[in-house]
Amino acid sequence: GAGVSQSPSNKVTEKGKDVELRCDPISGHTALYWYRQRLGQGLEFLIYFQGNSAPDKSGLPSDRFSAERTGESVSTLTIQRTQQEDSAVYLCASSRRPSGNSPLHFGNGTRLTVT
Amino acid sequence: GENVGLHLPTLSVQEGDNSIINCAYSNSASDYFIWYKQESGKGPQFIIDIRSNMDKRQGQRVTVLLNKTVKHLSLQIAATQPGDSAVYFCAEISDSSYKLIFGSGTRLLVRP
Repeated sequence: GAGVSQSPSNKVTEKGKDVELRCDPISGHTALYWYRQRLGQGLEFLIYFQGNSAPDKSGLPSDRFSAERTGESVSTLTIQRTQQEDSAVYLCASSRRPSGNSPLHFGNGTRLTVT
Repeated sequence: GENVGLHLPTLSVQEGDNSIINCAYSNSASDYFIWYKQESGKGPQFIIDIRSNMDKRQGQRVTVLLNKTVKHLSLQIAATQPGDSAVYFCAEISDSSYKLIFGSGTRLLVRP
């Protein structure tokens, strides 16, 4: 079956503009995660969804970041008034269950460049 | 594509040799551990996992070893191939959590 799909794959935007990143998880996966990866670094947790609720938003770097999810399907991550420090790859992952025994399956990410 | 692993520790091995990638994890309460492989321009790909009630698990050409006493995890790749060149991340999670925590990664280079 299809894996996790993210769009766009690349996004270049000017400082101060808003961007919206999309994630289509694997069908039937109830848990959905957003991570950020800066160049040459590891993965930084941003937010987790169980269904369409987000019990933990503490990983979001600032109030310019927000995310929502429709049912157990598509999620969007929105960054308002983008800054150059927001430049990174934004990775989405889904899993059957939110915790142990269920590995996360990742998309290929959206590479965001803020000029 | 993206140059993943620009500033990461690097392990260089000869094609055909065995590779061992190490990881020190942080949380003694972690119950579940996963190794991921990330190629340039792609998302992390699941390789193998292990629960905390095990100390060894084998897959195809890969073995994961877990030493809970010293909070150490290793990934062994047998007969390393050029296609194994990538950045490898360990990740940990506890049963009471939902947040998978990633290590900083190791870049594996396979010399032909």
